[in-house]
Amino acid sequence: DQQVKQNSPSLSVQEGRISILNCDYTNSMFDYFLWYKKYPAEGPTFLISISSIKDKNEDGRFTVFLNKSAKHLSLHIVPSQPGDSAVYFCAASNYGQNFVFGPGTRLSVLP
Amino acid sequence: DAGVTQSPTHLIKTRGQHVTLRCSPISGHKSVSWYQQVLGQGPQFIFQYYEKEERGRGNFPDRFSARQFPNYSSELNVNALLLGDSALYLCASSLGPQSSYNEQFFGPGTRLTVL
Repeated sequence: DQQVKQNSPSLSVQEGRISILNCDYTNSMFDYFLWYKKYPAEGPTFLISISSIKDKNEDGRFTVFLNKSAKHLSLHIVPSQPGDSAVYFCAASNYGQNFVFGPGTRLSVLP
Repeated sequence: DAGVTQSPTHLIKTRGQHVTLRCSPISGHKSVSWYQQVLGQGPQFIFQYYEKEERGRGNFPDRFSARQFPNYSSELNVNALLLGDSALYLCASSLGPQSSYNEQFFGPGTRLTVL
């Protein structure tokens, strides 16, 4: 039973446009959410996080939105750059314990 | 400064064998977590160690074990290997335990293939 879902296996976006990656979760006890980016042959790299007491967190071109009632979060990348092409993982945890990762979305930013 | 290092990079074993994977955390980090990433899926939590004590365990059989050494490096051991154990094994280090919401830094992983 997948507790964290990323229903889009892949996404293609034109350079300069907005990329929106979505994530849904089922466990209402999750209180901390993160996004990681992974390039081939490298480990995941932390991008941005959000606590359940917030609904938005921004860091440069990256913004994460959290909708607790819908158990949904999204990552917005504006503007998208070719270097953003990677696999993006959504992860969730309960009080910072035992992070649960989604299956990932492969983002391709086309020049 | 060196990031998280893992060895070996790749490993091929046969069913029933035993394997030991190694991880060195970032200098100053006292917590190490292990994850298994099967192709097409996200990383799945196996163990977390902080200050040489097990702090968390995921839903994995007893064939999986780990330990952390006084220098905070860690080993993941898997006994009686099965074909389904073929995966990328990731190690992540952080300053403190996961419960303090510390950011985790991942190593490049060890690719294990079981034939």
